[in-house]
This record gives sequence, C-alpha cells and structure tokens, in this order.
Amino acid sequence: NAGVTQTPKFRILKIGQSMTLQCTQDMNHNYMYWYRQDPGMGLKLIYYSVGAGITDKGEVPNGYNVSRSTTEDFPLRLELAAPSQTSVYFCASSYSLSKETQYFGPGTRLLVL
Amino acid sequence: AQSVTQLDSHVSVSEGTPVLLRCNYSSSYSPSLFWYVQHPNKGLQLLLKYTSAATLVKGINGFEAEFKKSETSFHLTKPSAHMSDAAEYFCVVSESGGFKTIFGAGTRLFVKA
Repeated sequence: NAGVTQTPKFRILKIGQSMTLQCTQDMNHNYMYWYRQDPGMGLKLIYYSVGAGITDKGEVPNGYNVSRSTTEDFPLRLELAAPSQTSVYFCASSYSLSKETQYFGPGTRLLVL
Repeated sequence: AQSVTQLDSHVSVSEGTPVLLRCNYSSSYSPSLFWYVQHPNKGLQLLLKYTSAATLVKGINGFEAEFKKSETSFHLTKPSAHMSDAAEYFCVVSESGGFKTIFGAGTRLFVKA
C-alpha cells in the first residue's frame, strides 16, 4: 500500500498561472480532503469529497476547484495563482467522516511569485 | 462552535526528560480528539485518538493523552523524550454526526541532547 501520494513535491508558479495538484489514494477510502498549511498555523480545509462525483467547500475554498471522477483521485486546481496561495498543501483520506483517522500525503510545497 | 487551542507554540526539553504538550478544546457535542505528529517535510501521522472510550489513551512511540472533560483538556505526554520526537504536534477536535474537523496551530517540540 502506497497510502496517499501527492505530486509534485514542490512547484514555483508565476502570478496568474494555473496548475493542478494531484492526489491519489489506494486504500479505497470514500472521503478525501485538501488542506493548506501556512507557517505557524494549523491546517485549513479547502475542499472535501464524500465519494466519486460529490465534492463540497471547506473553510477556505476561494481560488481553488476540485473534481472527483474516481474513488482514488482527488485533484486540486488553482486557476489564477496569487501570492496568497503560497503554502504547503496536504491531501488526506479517511474511511468515513469526522471521527475517523485521516491519512495524509507528504504534501506539495507551492511558491507563487 | 468547536475550537482547539494549543497553549504552547514551542516546547524545549532535554533528552530523557518528560514531555508535556498542552491542548484545550471547546465543543458543543461529544467530540473526538486526536494528536498528529509532523516530522520535517513530511505529512501528518496519527499518534493517538480519543473517541469516548477510555479517557487515558495510549498511542505510538510511548505517547499518551488523557481526556479531561471537566477541564476541556487533552494534553499529550511522554515519560522520556527521545531525539527522534523532535517534530510539530497538532491537536485536532472533531464533532460527531457531521463534518467539522478543527486543527490546532501546532506545538513545535525541540529535544536537546
């Protein structure tokens, strides 16, 4: 089991560029999440999904989009990168909601200049 | 509304001495509480979780935490610190029956030789 994998590990973007952060899990989890982690802060939820074809906004969704066409994949799209989106992005998955353990990927470090 | 406060942003201990990382929470419902650890440039890993069973929860690597409802606390302890414990630790609260998970801001643990 690879668990949760994320690509790329690190990326530099120019303001206004777009990119997709990839996330894949091989644990057959229905629930998947995208978080961002800013220095000195806890993780903030961007979007989550409760199954293929079903996504919903978290606490900080502005500037991002997601899709969930399969159980395994949950990509995060940045359409017009802004310096405020410089952060470390973590994808996670869990078997069910809330009380269950979340399994995290290694993160993607994004720098927007 | 639920919230979580990690009372120390940094904690420094000597190797072989006890570790105490403090966490207070606020929750309207019966919460689940978690401690995750994040080593540098890695994703978050579950240390332990409380889900309304025993109030003293044992986790991996010798860590444990005690749920104290009267004090709304869930402090993380370890009798003897090891150099490999140096990392960032996150306290997390999650309410049952819905989707709401709140991460604390994190406590960075330094372990001196």
